[in-house]
Amino acid sequence: DSGVTQTPKHLITATGQRVTLRCSPRSGDLSVYWYQQSLDQGLQFLIQYYNGEERAKGNILERFSAQQFPDLHSELNLSSLELGDSALYFCASSVKGTNTEAFFGQGTRLTVV
Amino acid sequence: AQSVTQLDSQVPVFEEAPVELRCNYSSSVSVYLFWYVQYPNQGLQLLLKYLSGSTLVKGINGFEAEFNKSQTSFHLRKPSVHISDTAEYFCAVSAGGTSYGKLTFGQGTILTVHP
Repeated sequence: DSGVTQTPKHLITATGQRVTLRCSPRSGDLSVYWYQQSLDQGLQFLIQYYNGEERAKGNILERFSAQQFPDLHSELNLSSLELGDSALYFCASSVKGTNTEAFFGQGTRLTVV
Repeated sequence: AQSVTQLDSQVPVFEEAPVELRCNYSSSVSVYLFWYVQYPNQGLQLLLKYLSGSTLVKGINGFEAEFNKSQTSFHLRKPSVHISDTAEYFCAVSAGGTSYGKLTFGQGTILTVHP
């Protein structure tokens, strides 16, 4: 158990809909990262938040957004969903003391039908 | 910009045989290197990491990797594999600092261990 919790584990929704994925980082970790894993694109970094502020952005679509709350949990919002958004979405956390690695959650599998 | 190339998409091997999973990287800055493993329907678990110092890094489950700066490689090795090592392995780089988790991943290598 990495200590990073993601909910829900599975999500099935229709095209055009909006969903919210939730991530609770390890206790005390200040950074949260979101990744997308798909068969055609592999593992891609989407966005990083550090202590509530956006720190880095990767290949994140404009239809996607994220935020980190004062209690350090994070949410990834995906809107106007398309079939191609079906993927495994991972959250990772790091940066507590001398952390030098990211700890990954179990992921949320999103299926868009 | 950073990039990672895993040279083999699939590696089949028999149980108790040695294995090497190859990884090359490119970066314009100093990098930190990682190997992660993903078992079916699971998240990513860190096997080992290179931050600085000794170029031979030992990780969990008997895996080790060697950082070669001149060849920009970070190959993963295990002298004797088990059935339970069957999984997908990812090589990754980061720039460190407060962004150790901002990783650029390779495409992954599926290791299949046959009895």
